[in-house]
Parts: sequence; structure tokens; C-alpha cells
Amino acid sequence: DAGVIQSPRHEVTEMGQEVTLRCKPISGHDYLFWYRQTMMRGLELLIYFNNNVPIDDSGMPEDRFSAKMPNASFSTLKIQPSEPRDSAVYFCASSPRGGTEAFFGQGTRLTVV
Amino acid sequence: GESVGLHLPTLSVQEGDNSIINCAYSNSASDYFIWYKQESGKGPQFIIDIRSNMDKRQGQRVTVLLNKTVKHLSLQIAATQPGDSAVYFCAENTKAAGNKLTFGGGTRVLVKP
Repeated sequence: DAGVIQSPRHEVTEMGQEVTLRCKPISGHDYLFWYRQTMMRGLELLIYFNNNVPIDDSGMPEDRFSAKMPNASFSTLKIQPSEPRDSAVYFCASSPRGGTEAFFGQGTRLTVV
Repeated sequence: GESVGLHLPTLSVQEGDNSIINCAYSNSASDYFIWYKQESGKGPQFIIDIRSNMDKRQGQRVTVLLNKTVKHLSLQIAATQPGDSAVYFCAENTKAAGNKLTFGGGTRVLVKP
């Protein structure tokens, strides 16, 4: 398996634009997590899914953020409109059912100017 | 390059010495405590976990200790090697919250040759 695949690796966008981050989890994993990593806040859990269903989105900072998982092999995190304070590295991770080991993607470095 | 330029506590250790990384947690209801390693430009990687009803678990060159009385977790790395230079995060998994996986603040380990 190629592991968790995130795209794009880098994204630079202007304030106010819509940004969509994509994630392909490891096949067979039941859980998918979205994290944001910043200097100030460290590694924050934004939202996670179990069997494509959102379980907890309490970490989503604002209504500008939304996440979907239309099927077991794909998830998106969307920011609309984007703001400079959204600049961060966004990680997607997946884990098998009941497991404590989450497998992380390489991350997407987002810069909003 | 750096992951996100995190301002983290730093542990400098001489190659060959043992390292001890500490973490304080807050959620007494967590079922598992986990250590992750993050190398520059990569996503976090699972190292070892410990169930909440245990106080010690050993892996290859690593030992995790759990003290529930004072809510303290530590990771000991034996014979630290240059490849151990990274940022280390403790994390908590809570089954009752739907396998929620949350991360602590992180410690940077620098191995001096």
C-alpha cells in the first residue's frame, strides 16, 4: 500500500479564495482524521470520521471549514473563504478499526496571502 | 526543512546516551497513551502505545512509563542515535469518545554526535 496520500503537497492561495485539500486513506482503514499543525497551536484535531460518518467536528475552527467523506477511499477538507490565519500544515491520517496507530500522510502546506 | 517551525521544549542528548521525554496529560478517561515521532517535513509516525491499565511497556530501544496518579507519561530511548532526532508527541486515544485521537504539545530531541 502507498500509505495515506494527500494532495496537493503545497498550496499558495489568495485571501478569500476557496481551498480544497484531498486525502486518500489506506484501504481497509475505518477511521480518518484531519489535523492542522501550526507553531502556536501544535497539532490540532479538526474532525474525524468512522466508516465515512463524521464522529466529532468540534475542532473545526469556523463555519468556513467543512469536511466530507463521500466514500471509504476519499475525503476533502474545504476552506471557503480562506484567510491568512489558515496558513498551516494540514495532515490527514487513517487508522484501522479499534487501532491506536494512526498512519499520517505527508501533509499539505497551505499558505494564504 | 522544518515541519512548521514549532517553538518547542528541546532536549539535547549526546549520541549513545539515553533520552527521557516527558508528557503531562489531562484526560483520566483516555484508554491508550501513544508516542509519535515526527521528522522534518513528514507526518507523525507511531512509536509505541500503552493501555491505561498498564504502567510500563517496552519496545525496541524504547520504554514507555505511565503514572496515572500524577497523569504523567514518559518515553525512554536507549542508546540514542542521530536518526532519533525529531519532534516527539504524546497522544491519547479515548474509546468512549469514538476512538478520538488527540495530541500533546511535543518535544524536540536533538542528538549531538
